[in-house]
Amino acid sequence: GESVGLHLPTLSVQEGDNSIINCAYSNSASDYFIWYKQESGKGPQFIIDIRSNMDKRQGQRVTVLLNKTVKHLSLQIAATQPGDSAVYFCAENMAGNTPLVFGKGTRLSVIA
Amino acid sequence: NAGVTQTPKFQVLKTGQSMTLQCAQDMNHNSMYWYRQDPGMGLRLIYYSASEGTTDKGEVPNGYNVSRLNKREFSLRLESAAPSQTSVYFCASSEALTHAETEFFGPGTRLTVL
Repeated sequence: GESVGLHLPTLSVQEGDNSIINCAYSNSASDYFIWYKQESGKGPQFIIDIRSNMDKRQGQRVTVLLNKTVKHLSLQIAATQPGDSAVYFCAENMAGNTPLVFGKGTRLSVIA
Repeated sequence: NAGVTQTPKFQVLKTGQSMTLQCAQDMNHNSMYWYRQDPGMGLRLIYYSASEGTTDKGEVPNGYNVSRLNKREFSLRLESAAPSQTSVYFCASSEALTHAETEFFGPGTRLTVL
């Protein structure tokens, strides 16, 4: 979920369990969405994307779900591993020539 | 390919000092971006350059200037640093604004203003 202030929302999961990270996006005109992973001390890295004409897209161990009715995006990680520990950001892009807008992020902590 | 490189990696400034953060990409990307990231926050866009020769303000441009020196390089300048500019700065590039899936980030510059 989203939050304001200095502290990121944190999701703690046991190794091997599935993780679900949620994001509420802001603009109903957005038509393209990306999930990024940011490990400590590094820049964000692309994980998976989805366009607004789809409601689900699967990658390797990751699935993104899009619900345009409630402007909600989720990232599901199957069989979560210690290497999945990171901050995850959603980003949205409106149709046309505009830059991405990033959400505030969720910290995923995997318990071995 | 080095991707996106940023210099310096770390910097400490005193209030009022100036400095330029350098960014270069070797992917022949048209668009480049500068973001800042504060603790517990997402990435906020400072300035971007959709293509060589153009720059535009993002969400938080006050206190910064940029120069798109050529297709490869996009610098960010703080003319008179303030403690509120203490942050981690990320440069990124993409093939174009309309190709956000190609956006690739540099490793970041951690700036502290005392």
